Amino acid sequence: EDQVTQSPEALRLQEGESSSLNCSYTVSGLRGLFWYRQDPGKGPEFLFTLYSAGEEKEKERLKATLTKKESFLHITAPKPEDSATYLCAVQPGGSYIPTFGRGTSLIVHP
Amino acid sequence: DVKVTQSSRYLVKRTGEKVFLECVQDMDHENMFWYRQDPGLGLRLIYFSYDVKMKEKGDIPEGYSVSREKKERFSLILESASTNQTSMYLCASRPAAGQSHGYTFGSGTRLTVV
Repeated sequence: EDQVTQSPEALRLQEGESSSLNCSYTVSGLRGLFWYRQDPGKGPEFLFTLYSAGEEKEKERLKATLTKKESFLHITAPKPEDSATYLCAVQPGGSYIPTFGRGTSLIVHP
Repeated sequence: DVKVTQSSRYLVKRTGEKVFLECVQDMDHENMFWYRQDPGLGLRLIYFSYDVKMKEKGDIPEGYSVSREKKERFSLILESASTNQTSMYLCASRPAAGQSHGYTFGSGTRLTVV
């Protein structure tokens, strides 16, 4: 059974305190791994797609990396506006439907 | 600015009512999806559609149906609303050519069944 586990469930940081969110997965092959950001009461917003181990993508203070078993979302010098829930989703090979993790709730204090 | 639009942000319905949730996308995407999101359970797939007039059951289709008569519109129908269908409902779309593309989500409809 395909599984996607995100850790930690919740993370509190001080502004400027860099950290990483983890998404570990067990799937049969990998068609793609996706990161989303979700603000309270809104739909998720697409951030990145990673397709193969060793790949990296960056956007402002966010950098996503991928290995064969997990992905990290690194947040460098976060600001309060980075506060949100970050969702990871993994699409197995041979499937057109991704499996979502339950998310990491990030709060960045000023 | 391309987007997915859900017709209502908040909805309150009575038990037993037939409820329609509408979703429209302006990106000419073939694939459309309905999810519900509940605290502690994450996103769960209800139904999806690969193209017009096509539909497939997701993980939790019981108590729901869908309609896709036009490419841009995907409707979720609660045949007889129950309190356990109180949830946040999210519509999403993606192009068929990029079936390993990420989704574009709507803003969600928070449905309360009383």
